[in-house]
Amino acid sequence: DTEVTQTPKHLVMGMTNKKSLKCEQHMGHRAMYWYKQKAKKPPELMFVYSYEKLSINESVPSRFSPECPNSSLLNLHLHALQPEDSALYLCASSQGPLSYEQYFGPGTRLTVT
Amino acid sequence: QKEVEQDPGPLSVPEGAIVSLNCTYSNSAFQYFMWYRQYSRKGPELLMYTYSSGNKEDGRFTAQVDKSSKYISLFIRDSQPSDSATYLCAMIGQTGANNLFFGTGTRLTVIP
Repeated sequence: DTEVTQTPKHLVMGMTNKKSLKCEQHMGHRAMYWYKQKAKKPPELMFVYSYEKLSINESVPSRFSPECPNSSLLNLHLHALQPEDSALYLCASSQGPLSYEQYFGPGTRLTVT
Repeated sequence: QKEVEQDPGPLSVPEGAIVSLNCTYSNSAFQYFMWYRQYSRKGPELLMYTYSSGNKEDGRFTAQVDKSSKYISLFIRDSQPSDSATYLCAMIGQTGANNLFFGTGTRLTVIP
């Protein structure tokens, strides 16, 4: 099983809303990632969790708050987003933080109104 | 100058054609080279990876790395309409997610 699942598939939220994106993998991977992808652009790394601890935060605004409840789950809490935050949010996982093979989920398409 | 350059296309070819997708890079520290395929509104799917220079073949796909020229290629033989997607090259210096650099992606359409 090389599947990373993400929910919801689509999300529309207002600028004052609070919502969460969820990601799950059952491959026993110990590194998980959040990426943001705008249209016709490559994925941009946001956060990396290694063994359930936040190891990298690529200067992401505090309105994005990641959480890793256990080794299989990764959440991204959203609050007071801006319209320019509308994008495809991708979760990925790899066997460990030193592994170059990252497996991506299908993404959550977020629209901020 | 960007770390990784990739022609965004779009590229249209007839079914059965050989497709060549390319990336150049500037950082000689890159050692692992990957190709991802991304269908519209889906997440990237890891197609192939190579370490250092050389070729790697997997079915209709061949990945080539020329570190002396800082140039990598993905060849698709006997292209199929199902190959229509955006292809992203990615590379990494030393292992570690913060060193993963993506190209901008090439949009490929295979016409039946």
